[in-house]
Amino acid sequence: DAGITQSPRHKVTETGTPVTLRCHQTENHRYMYWYRQDPGHGLRLIHYSYGVKDTDKGEVSDGYSVSRSKTEDFLLTLESATSSQTSVYFCAIRRSDEQFFGPGTRLTVL
Amino acid sequence: GQQVMQIPQYQHVQEGEDFTTYCNSSTTLSNIQWYKQRPGGHPVFLIQLVKSGEVKKQKRLTFQFGEAKKNSSLHITATQTTDVGTYFCAGFDGSSNTGKLIFGQGTTLQVKP
Repeated sequence: DAGITQSPRHKVTETGTPVTLRCHQTENHRYMYWYRQDPGHGLRLIHYSYGVKDTDKGEVSDGYSVSRSKTEDFLLTLESATSSQTSVYFCAIRRSDEQFFGPGTRLTVL
Repeated sequence: GQQVMQIPQYQHVQEGEDFTTYCNSSTTLSNIQWYKQRPGGHPVFLIQLVKSGEVKKQKRLTFQFGEAKKNSSLHITATQTTDVGTYFCAGFDGSSNTGKLIFGQGTTLQVKP
């Protein structure tokens, strides 16, 4: 499954608190992606990375930041979580043209 | 911006019936990919179509890419309960260099045994 793990797998937090989600890969893929999945919207790209310290915005990047200090780790941070950020978050890597997804993190913001 | 629309949103079928989901893009696509997500799981890559008019088969699944490269379909013959899940189409957002994908909203398939 492309050696992708996400942590935590589930998190409940309160509005206004910072939250960091971690994506870890074991295969040294250059491209990594963060998506959120909400009913009726499919998968929407938040941010992506094309190398260490190289990141760019996706279609729904407001309220999110990312960092990639090592090839294997891609972090997604919600600086001040809001209820609208309650969602399932998936990390993915790119192998050739295909994307391989991690198991997801279910985040609830109360 | 580029949009990828998918219909229907939901489909309930009796086991053994056929199923089709359709994907339409607002712009010409360089390729189209299909993913399947089982309930509670993560999306899994199924296939990529690149050529205009291309048709590919995987057992009971038939994938088509339109002649104008703006639409695609996935057809499942004689559905089984193992086909349950959400099927997504996705196309590259602009150049394929970044690998950025625009996903359709997905079609959720329920199969009654």
